[in-house]
Amino acid sequence: EAGVVQSPRYKIIEKKQPVAFWCNPISGHNTLYWYLQNLGQGPELLIRYENEEAVDDSQLPKDRFSAERLKGVDSTLKIQPAELGDSAVYLCASSLAGGAGELFFGEGSRLTVL
Amino acid sequence: GNSVTQMEGPVTLSEEAFLTINCTYTATGYPSLFWYVQYPGEGLQLLLKATKADDKGSNKGFEATYRKETTSFHLEKGSVQVSDSAVYFCALSITGGFKTIFGAGTRLFVKA
Repeated sequence: EAGVVQSPRYKIIEKKQPVAFWCNPISGHNTLYWYLQNLGQGPELLIRYENEEAVDDSQLPKDRFSAERLKGVDSTLKIQPAELGDSAVYLCASSLAGGAGELFFGEGSRLTVL
Repeated sequence: GNSVTQMEGPVTLSEEAFLTINCTYTATGYPSLFWYVQYPGEGLQLLLKATKADDKGSNKGFEATYRKETTSFHLEKGSVQVSDSAVYFCALSITGGFKTIFGAGTRLFVKA
């Protein structure tokens, strides 16, 4: 069974440019998460989807970040415009039907903003 | 609020040494507790979990016991291997909730 797939693995952009990350969760996992991981820190939740509905986006900086999960399967996280402080690893995870169960993570997308 | 505190790294051990990585938590409600591991170049993966007080989670020679009285979930392994070199994250999730909160991670280096 394929795991959570993310792309790109690495992205380097100039500040003020847009960037997008894509995630395909494990088949059958209704819940999808985007996490932010700064260097030397643990993942922090940005947004959680149940199917196509964003049910927790309280930590998503909505002035520059947006996300979508059309058709309740794969998802895209966008930053526009990017700032120097956005340099981090963006992790996607999925799980079965929400709740306090196991999260399955992708390998992450490492963003460097110059 | 809910939070997880784990010991700072890096932790450097020789092969076959005993490992302890401390983790304490603060939580409202009744959390489930987890240890995730991140090997170099890979995504986080679940190592073990415990869902109620006094439960012991175990996997790959690692174990951790859910201690409600001390709000702790320390990770232990009796004899580490070079292949255990990774970053270990302690985490909690409130039963019935939808948000997993992670500690800052502890990097482990094991020398041959």
